[in-house]
Amino acid sequence: GAVVSQHPSWVICKSGTSVKIECRSLDFQATTMFWYRQFPKQSLMLMATSNEGSKATYEQGVEKDKFLINHASLTLSTLTVTSAHPEDSSFYICSARGYDSGVTDTQYFGPGTRLTVL
Amino acid sequence: GIQVEQSPPDLILQEGANSTLRCNFSDSVNNLQWFHQNPWGQLINLFYIPSGTKQNGRLSATTVATERYSLLYISSSQTTDSGVYFCAVEYGNKLVFGAGTILRVKS
Repeated sequence: GAVVSQHPSWVICKSGTSVKIECRSLDFQATTMFWYRQFPKQSLMLMATSNEGSKATYEQGVEKDKFLINHASLTLSTLTVTSAHPEDSSFYICSARGYDSGVTDTQYFGPGTRLTVL
Repeated sequence: GIQVEQSPPDLILQEGANSTLRCNFSDSVNNLQWFHQNPWGQLINLFYIPSGTKQNGRLSATTVATERYSLLYISSSQTTDSGVYFCAVEYGNKLVFGAGTILRVKS
């Protein structure tokens, strides 16, 4: 089946620093990638949608300058949390949608990245 | 926007028991997926099921699109089934998640 990886799996950083999270589709080409945020004991909230080679579309209330998304290729998208603050601490999950074994439009999720900002 | 409601919010089962999880949605959708989020946070695709019934081992799912609900059946539950079960519907170009059902299976 389709595999999506994320790196790093967890990161601890100081307030004011920037953190980059990578999302890769390992065995399929992802035409679209999505970034979600999940707070403890809550559901996933979509932050933004990115298509390869074009600018990301952000959900209402998500700061574009705070959460920079780049989708440079069909297998890689990155999320950069700029000038991170403790309130940015969360579990960030990416997903990728492409075509795998004849099943179309299925989103496959990465393992998530736990960000802690001190 | 669309509303996705899952029930029950919490469920405790004895190992070997069966259960049914429900997902109601408030508008027509392009597709529906069921996921299991394990204790480490990984989301596992269980079913891609915009309509009809599918089975995979001890799990099965049924979606009745005309009545806007889906059911996930877990039979002969095991402790490894513990975690959070989410349904998500594709609305427009986005997946909208329900709040989840927290399942704990006791040995």
